[in-house]
Amino acid sequence: GNSVTQMEGPVTLSEEAFLTINCTYTATGYPSLFWYVQYPGEGLQLLLKATKADDKGSNKGFEATYRKETTSFHLEKGSVQVSDSAVYFCAHGSSNTGKLIFGQGTTLQVKP
Amino acid sequence: GAVVSQHPSRVICKSGTSVKIECRSLDFQATTMFWYRQFPKQSLMLMATSNEGSKATYEQGVEKDKFLINHASLTLSTLTVTSAHPEDSSFYICSARELSNQPQHFGDGTRLSIL
Repeated sequence: GNSVTQMEGPVTLSEEAFLTINCTYTATGYPSLFWYVQYPGEGLQLLLKATKADDKGSNKGFEATYRKETTSFHLEKGSVQVSDSAVYFCAHGSSNTGKLIFGQGTTLQVKP
Repeated sequence: GAVVSQHPSRVICKSGTSVKIECRSLDFQATTMFWYRQFPKQSLMLMATSNEGSKATYEQGVEKDKFLINHASLTLSTLTVTSAHPEDSSFYICSARELSNQPQHFGDGTRLSIL
């Protein structure tokens, strides 16, 4: 079935460290892939997306590349800030229904 | 652009009461809205999908008589938790999208606490 698996958190980094949050998926067809970010007590905000293989989504210094061969969409940032502390969700969207399937979320804590 | 407003942000009420949560798309017409439930430190679970002017489609295991969804206009959907009990306490989040090939935009969520 369709699913999304993320690396377990929490991920704790020092400011300016390099970030990778792994995400792999299983899906039928060719879904769009998303990263959402959730700050404490808030809803989700779309961080970036990719709609086809080899696309790279990027926003606010974050990047993720749609890798069809490895069914992955790992999130990376070269230098994290304290303000990046949040929960990050990887998701894929069905091309038929538009429904999103979310991973379990990865908590990122960035310390000054 | 693409702002979704959810109200109220927090509600505390007694067991047995019904609670209505509103989800509005402020600057676009939402042909489809989604309702999610999120348990502490867990992912979002899709409860139902609603298309404007038609009945909502509920996910397996979600009681449609318990969670009433109305999507009467292109900018408003409501979720009513009927006869709420403590086990219904959760964080409820709505999302909306204009067209099927566009991403969902999320509201800020409603923290529901049933005493």
